Amino acid sequence: EVQLVESGGGLVQPGGSLRLSCAASGFTFTHYDMHWVRQSTGGRLEWVSAIDTAGDTYYPGSVKGRFIISRGGADNSLYLQMNNLRADDTAAYYCARFRSSGNMDVWGQGTTVIVAS
Amino acid sequence: DIQMTQSPSSLSASIGDRVTLTCRASQDISHYLAWFQQKPGKAPKSLIFGASSLPSGVPSKFSGSGSGTDFTLTISSLQPEDFGTYYCQQYKSYPYTFGQGTKLEI
Repeated sequence: EVQLVESGGGLVQPGGSLRLSCAASGFTFTHYDMHWVRQSTGGRLEWVSAIDTAGDTYYPGSVKGRFIISRGGADNSLYLQMNNLRADDTAAYYCARFRSSGNMDVWGQGTTVIVAS
Repeated sequence: DIQMTQSPSSLSASIGDRVTLTCRASQDISHYLAWFQQKPGKAPKSLIFGASSLPSGVPSKFSGSGSGTDFTLTISSLQPEDFGTYYCQQYKSYPYTFGQGTKLEI
């Protein structure tokens, strides 16, 4: 079964750091671009980062310089290192598989990050 | 960044109705447009990619059209399971961006 499972969310103070993980199974992980998308409590979806099959990475201005996306080696995992966290980073974070056709077809169940003192 | 604007923000419809949701991009995105359905507490689900292509397993009651800046998602013969929030997303260029969503109430 093709599956993505996120972990690593939690409560963190402003200025703190957190590392999210996304475990992939059921498909050849290295053949796909992988993305992180977040959703605030207000419901708005925001694309957070992407890493392509060549290892190139992409970020929106809101997280660039603070977040780092990476892939594991043999462990079929995607990571999001989040530094200097702010209250507006509070959200549910989803990892997603992105096919070359443009279909973001597989999503994890999400992990929640709360940034508060 | 490319801005995506959806209308309406919310929509109430009846069982059996046909509804059309709209998404507008702030600049030409060709056909690089996806639609997602989301239900409360769940991850978004892919409905349409490439503006009009259906992923495997998505029923043909869903259809997408448009190119350039104006796009539509049409749902025919509404059923109770079609309630939820629908989002469009452009993937023409980074940063990928989503619309604010249309909440469909049955």
